[in-house]
Amino acid sequence: AQTVTQSQPEMSVQEAETVTLSCTYDTSESDYYLFWYKQPPSRQMILVIRQEAYKQQNATENRFSVNFQKAAKSFSLKISDSQLGDAAMYFCTQTQGGSEKLVFGKGTKLTVNP
Amino acid sequence: DVKVTQSSRYLVKRTGEKVFLECVQDMDHENMFWYRQDPGLGLRLIYFSYDVKMKEKGDIPEGYSVSREKKERFSLILESASTNQTSMYLCASSLRLGGNYGYTFGSGTRLTVV
Repeated sequence: AQTVTQSQPEMSVQEAETVTLSCTYDTSESDYYLFWYKQPPSRQMILVIRQEAYKQQNATENRFSVNFQKAAKSFSLKISDSQLGDAAMYFCTQTQGGSEKLVFGKGTKLTVNP
Repeated sequence: DVKVTQSSRYLVKRTGEKVFLECVQDMDHENMFWYRQDPGLGLRLIYFSYDVKMKEKGDIPEGYSVSREKKERFSLILESASTNQTSMYLCASSLRLGGNYGYTFGSGTRLTVV
């Protein structure tokens, strides 16, 4: 079974600093998609960033960027200039077996300290 | 601007009751999903549907069934609720395209079975 591993159950960062959340995954597929989702205390899951595996260029969305290492099966999320509103659970996910199902990691709880 | 609506935010039911969790999306998405979210376990797929009247089991279908009679509505049914089904339930939908553009989630239903 495909798995997504987030090795950091909790992380904290000072406001305005940069933090990196780790994620490794396991797949035998050559073409797949990776995502980071954010779940704030309001519970609404929000798509943060998307990466297509066949694209070597790392995806970027404003203050959010990824470090995609396909050979290492690593997909880390970097948040620059952290803001209080970034505090949330962050989930790393990948598509499963070439389908449109997503497999989720267990999440990393990010705290942003003022 | 609500796109995926879950009928209840909080629900308390008694053991043995038949429970219906409703999810409606207004984006004309083909795919709909039900996930269960538990602390330390992340999100686990219960059932999903690629089309009307079509359903497939996810990773943890035991004790659950689903119904999709219309494209916009996907219902999760707990045939006989048990205390181990106390959890957060998340509904999601996605377009069926050549690529995978991620899910749109509802706000979740926190179900407590007593």
